[in-house]
Amino acid sequence: DIRMTQSPASLSASLGETVNIECLASEDIYSDLAWYQQKPGKSPQLLIYNANSLQNGVPSRFSGSGSGTQYSLKINSLQSEDVATYFCQQYNNYPLWTFGGGTKLELK
Amino acid sequence: EVQLVESGGGLVQPGRSLKLSCAASGFTFSNYYMAWVRQAPKKGLEWVATISTSGSRTYYPDSVKGRFTISRDNAKSSLYLQMNSLKSEDTATYYCARKANWESYFDYWGQGVMVTVSS
Repeated sequence: DIRMTQSPASLSASLGETVNIECLASEDIYSDLAWYQQKPGKSPQLLIYNANSLQNGVPSRFSGSGSGTQYSLKINSLQSEDVATYFCQQYNNYPLWTFGGGTKLELK
Repeated sequence: EVQLVESGGGLVQPGRSLKLSCAASGFTFSNYYMAWVRQAPKKGLEWVATISTSGSRTYYPDSVKGRFTISRDNAKSSLYLQMNSLKSEDTATYYCARKANWESYFDYWGQGVMVTVSS
């Protein structure tokens, strides 16, 4: 199975700051990577797919990048509604999907 | 509007069975692969099962293979998960999710249903 390692596990940032979350795959996943946002008490919601494509309705302050085994999610100008846990997911090894452990984002 | 609504969760003893349901609306259910993903309390996400559009193909990770069975009824726009021989480590919130067409990420998720396995 492909292992997905996210970092950091948690971070604290101020309103207006730029935040970066990393996801490392144990092997090349050829940009078959999605990012999900899970707000407290809610279900996950798709933010980014194919490593850098923004899902419809997602604010443009969210962006994804990366290739090979290294990927990142960037949040520009952090807003209060961005407080959530973020998960990466690989789908290159279909149908054996695997997720990263999550990054909990809090306001400082 | 796409909606996925899970039901059937609850408290169950180890070794017993439980069947979850997911009612879909707002899209042509029979055109999409569907899946179950679970999340243990305060933990990450774990894919549990996937089913093809017709139901002829199913996929499971080793952690549930042989114990869980995913099925669907396209006439009722419903997805199911039969869970047998339940273990304490199956305690989690179970989400019904839609696999995007032509891609393999999950584009819509239900609100989740809690399953607690405990004596």
